[in-house]
Amino acid sequence: EDQVTQSPEALRLQEGESSSLNCSYTVSGLRGLFWYRQDPGKGPEFLFTLYSAGEEKEKERLKATLTKKESFLHITAPKPEDSATYLCAVESYNTDKLIFGTGTRLQVFP
Amino acid sequence: NAGVMQNPRHLVRRRGQEARLRCSPMKGHSHVYWYRQLPEEGLKFMVYLQKENIIDESGMPKERFSAEFPKEGPSILRIQQVVRGDSAAYFCASSPLVQGSTEAFFGQGTRLTVV
Repeated sequence: EDQVTQSPEALRLQEGESSSLNCSYTVSGLRGLFWYRQDPGKGPEFLFTLYSAGEEKEKERLKATLTKKESFLHITAPKPEDSATYLCAVESYNTDKLIFGTGTRLQVFP
Repeated sequence: NAGVMQNPRHLVRRRGQEARLRCSPMKGHSHVYWYRQLPEEGLKFMVYLQKENIIDESGMPKERFSAEFPKEGPSILRIQQVVRGDSAAYFCASSPLVQGSTEAFFGQGTRLTVV
């Protein structure tokens, strides 16, 4: 069964304190791994798609990496506006649906 | 280019009433997905539809829930005889499903409260 586990559940950072969020997955034939950002009361906002091990993508202070078992979302010098819940999801070749983890709730304090 | 539009944003229903949630996909997208999010839980897949076809409804409860995506108009998620446990945020996502690109873009959700 396809499964996604995210850690930590919650992370508190000081502004400028870099860190990484983890997404471990098991899937039968990975089609893609997705990162989303979700603000309270809002829908998930698409950030990245990664397709193969070794792939990396960057957007402003965020960088996503992928191995055969896990993905990391690195946050460099975060700002308070980066505070949100970050969701990881996988899609396998067997289905057309996303399997989500429960997310990491990030709080960045000034 | 408008994003995925969901309405209403908030919906309150009494137990036993019907709830109808609407989703208009992004322009050019012909694939729609519905997900449910309970407090402190992840998004759970419910159903995947293309125009006039249900492709995968493996996440839909067998009773009281139905979904459609007609040739014209928005996709509808319908919940009959709602119960308190149906209270959740319901998100719709759309995708063009162009080969090599399977990004799904989400709407702002409908928050259903059953009283």
